[in-house]
Amino acid sequence: SQQGEEDPQALSIQEGENATMNCSYKTSINNLQWYRQNSGRGLVHLILIRSNEREKHSGRLRVTLDTSKKSSSLLITASRAADTASYFCATRIDRGAQKLVFGQGTRLTINP
Amino acid sequence: GAGVSQSPSNKVTEKGKDVELRCDPISGHTALYWYRQSLGQGLEFLIYFQGNSAPDKSGLPSDRFSAERTGGSVSTLTIQRTQQEDSAVYLCASSLVRQYTDTQYFGPGTRLTVL
Repeated sequence: SQQGEEDPQALSIQEGENATMNCSYKTSINNLQWYRQNSGRGLVHLILIRSNEREKHSGRLRVTLDTSKKSSSLLITASRAADTASYFCATRIDRGAQKLVFGQGTRLTINP
Repeated sequence: GAGVSQSPSNKVTEKGKDVELRCDPISGHTALYWYRQSLGQGLEFLIYFQGNSAPDKSGLPSDRFSAERTGGSVSTLTIQRTQQEDSAVYLCASSLVRQYTDTQYFGPGTRLTVL
């Protein structure tokens, strides 16, 4: 089963609105990362939050991490049409293997 | 600088044929990963190489799949006797391995279609 599960699976909002995506995971993590994917090709790293951090910002992105609930959220403020993409969370669950485990993703559509 | 490159970008093959997919990681990156992504799905981990350590092959779906990494750089993923269910986008990623900073850099992928 997947370590990370995104919610919702799909989200459609109007340009200018804020978009919030959630990620839940099952085991203890070293860090959690969010990636974006356009058109089913390569993923682009957006932001990394460490297990000892609770919130992080990068431009219009805000990520929170709640290790007690094993969950994270990605907020995109003032959305733009160019933000339309799939967003994946990935968790590093094993410091020895250092392998990232990806969730199924949230498909975000920004309507002009 | 140069990112991760993959070739070919698209591959169409007939059922039963063997295919080889290539990945050129970012120079100096010690870790290399292969993933598979079926249409509309998440990433399925296949295999992970880290330096001179034995690769983590736990994600390979069958013994028809194999991968090697020569000289700690270029990697080749080989699928023997391809099946239609092997059709997917195969993504390669590389990273530096440091505590808390193991961001993965992805290539554009190879779209494999098995007829």
